[in-house]
Amino acid sequence: QLQVQESGPGLVKPSETLSLTCNVSGGSISSGHDYWGWIRQPPGKGLEWIGSISYSWNTYYNPSLKSRATMSVDTSKNQFSLSLSSVTASDTAVYYCAHYGVIRGAIYWYFDLWGRGTLVTISS
Amino acid sequence: EIEMTQSPATLSVSPGETAILSCRASQSVSSNLAWYQQKPGQAPRLLIYYASTRASGIPGRFSGSGSGTEFTLTISGLQSEDFAVYYCQQYNNWRGTFGPGTKVESK
Repeated sequence: QLQVQESGPGLVKPSETLSLTCNVSGGSISSGHDYWGWIRQPPGKGLEWIGSISYSWNTYYNPSLKSRATMSVDTSKNQFSLSLSSVTASDTAVYYCAHYGVIRGAIYWYFDLWGRGTLVTISS
Repeated sequence: EIEMTQSPATLSVSPGETAILSCRASQSVSSNLAWYQQKPGQAPRLLIYYASTRASGIPGRFSGSGSGTEFTLTISGLQSEDFAVYYCQQYNNWRGTFGPGTKVESK
């Protein structure tokens, strides 16, 4: 059964780079037509899509992040990652990694599997 | 960017009653609309995709309808475990956007 789980530091200083990893288990990150994504949720607020990546490094990012986000894939470790540069307090959030829906080999841009999330606090 | 709105922001319902949640898109998304349930301290869980198709393991009391710009999530015979926040998400393209959520609370 496919599972995803986030990991990374819970505290990052302002102006530094936030780095998170999502471990994929129960399946290969490089199989088929899968896409993987990151979503975040500030405390007490709603959900914001950050970006998406395929095993072949095809990426899409939320323009509102103004090119601060970078995603990558490590097929040898069955992981994908998120880097968010020049962070500020407004980047404090629970960060989720997730898997996109795939039906008969076609990608659908909803999330059918989520990790538990990891809280990242931006503070000096 | 397609903007999503949800109403009401909070819905007070008694167990056993029916909850009707609304979601509206700023432009047509066809049937590319998903619903998620989020309980406190937990990740969102996919309930409905393609506007009306229940995800695996989702009870039949959850049903979705609509197309274009107007969508509805209906929870029939509300159970105690259904009190949560519900988000809609349009996925007409790779830049899927979420609504602000509707909190379903116990009356």
